Amino acid sequence: GENVEQHPSTLSVQEGDSAVIKCTYSDSASNYFPWYKQELGKRPQLIIDIRSNVGEKKDQRIAVTLNKTAKHFSLHITETQPEDSAVYFCAASIRASGGSYIPTFGRGTSLIVHP
Amino acid sequence: NAGVTQTPKFRILKIGQSMTLQCAQDMNHNYMYWYRQDPGMGLKLIYYSVGAGITDKGEVPNGYNVSRSTTEDFPLRLELAAPSQTSVYFCASGGRENTEAFFGQGTRLTVV
Repeated sequence: GENVEQHPSTLSVQEGDSAVIKCTYSDSASNYFPWYKQELGKRPQLIIDIRSNVGEKKDQRIAVTLNKTAKHFSLHITETQPEDSAVYFCAASIRASGGSYIPTFGRGTSLIVHP
Repeated sequence: NAGVTQTPKFRILKIGQSMTLQCAQDMNHNYMYWYRQDPGMGLKLIYYSVGAGITDKGEVPNGYNVSRSTTEDFPLRLELAAPSQTSVYFCASGGRENTEAFFGQGTRLTVV
């Protein structure tokens, strides 16, 4: 299987609703879990990240939770707005062939917020 | 600071041609990465570097080569372009392991 799995691939919500995106990872030694937002035609940009010594982190309308035992983490967006529409990527630091921990990405979730 | 700069932004190649995608960063970052992005497939790691003179293969290195002669530059070389290499290529950098990756604006490559 893939090192980082992300679900769902597409998420459609009404403005004001909450959105949840879930990811699982394979490497139990991973300790850094960032989330990136990519607007159409733009580069991915970090929106929030969490480290393995923390279970939850919030920044205004977005929050991330981490369950190290189960090896999964989630992104929660509350009170969604049309400008939240974008592709969201989760990532985990996975040990690469050279021994370093490298950002490894999920396949992305296309979030559509309907006005 | 310009951050991570990629050139060109767009390119069309014919099958069998070669080209180099340029990437430069001005943040004095040790870690640099090349990813390719295909629809519905996320970002796949091609090559990475943890410092000048050190490079390693990622998940999808076939058909590509890299070099890292300076901290600032990390060019990606395609020797014999194939249609399967049609993609959007992103270069990124990070200050150290397990920190934020800063992305360039991407290069959209089409091989025909």
